[in-house]
Amino acid sequence: QVHLVQSGAEEKEPGASVKVSCKTSGYTFSLYGIHWVRQAPGQRLEWMGWLNAGNDYTDYSQKFQGRLTFTRDTPASTAYMELTGLRSEDTAVYYCTRVAGSGFDNWGQGTLVTVSS
Amino acid sequence: QSALTQPASVSGSLGQSITISCTGTSSDVGSGHLVSWYEQRPGAAPKLIIYEASKRPSGISNRFSASKSGNTASLTISGLQAEDETDYFCCSYAGRGTYVFGTGTKVTV
Repeated sequence: QVHLVQSGAEEKEPGASVKVSCKTSGYTFSLYGIHWVRQAPGQRLEWMGWLNAGNDYTDYSQKFQGRLTFTRDTPASTAYMELTGLRSEDTAVYYCTRVAGSGFDNWGQGTLVTVSS
Repeated sequence: QSALTQPASVSGSLGQSITISCTGTSSDVGSGHLVSWYEQRPGAAPKLIIYEASKRPSGISNRFSASKSGNTASLTISGLQAEDETDYFCCSYAGRGTYVFGTGTKVTV
C-alpha cells in the first residue's frame, strides 16, 4: 500500500526558510514524480512544481522561481521541499503527491506552515 | 497561471444529479490535456476521483462521471447522497510540465 508521510507543522518568522519532508513507502520511489501543492486557508489548491524522483529533474511554477527547491534522498525514499524568503502569504498547508498517469493518486497528509512575526 | 474556473457552490437534493463545471483555456483544458477531479473533506488531503478525463480509480463509486467539451470539463454526481457533501476541485495539465487547479466547488446536499 502506497503511503506518503510528511513532516510536522512549522511556525516561521517572515524572511525565514522552511523545509518539509515527504517520506514514501509501498512503491519504487524512483519510478514516479513527486509534486508539491499548497492550499492557503480556505483557498484553492495551488500547484508549485515537481521532482522527477528517477533523475532529479525539477520544474517550478514561475510564481516561486528563485525561492523554491526540491531535493530527494533516494535510499530513504524521501522528497523534500524548501521554501525561502517566507512571507505571510506563504501560510498554507503544503502537500506532496504522487503523479500516476494524469492524476495525483496518493497524497501526503499535509504540513501546515504558518508565517508570522 | 490563472486557475480554472469552477462555480463556488452547487446544491442538490438526495437522489438528484448535479454537474460541476470547470472552465479553462485552449492552453489547458481545451488543448486535449487530461483533466482530473478530486474531492476534499475538511482537514483532509484531496482524494482522486476521476483521472484521464473520465476514468475512476478503484473504489470510487460509479455515481461519479466526467466529460469535456471545448475548454470546459464537467463532473456529474448522480444519485446524490449525504456523503457527497464536500469540496471538489478539477485539475488540468497545462503544458511544459505544469498543472493548474480549479477554484473549487462546495457541494451541498
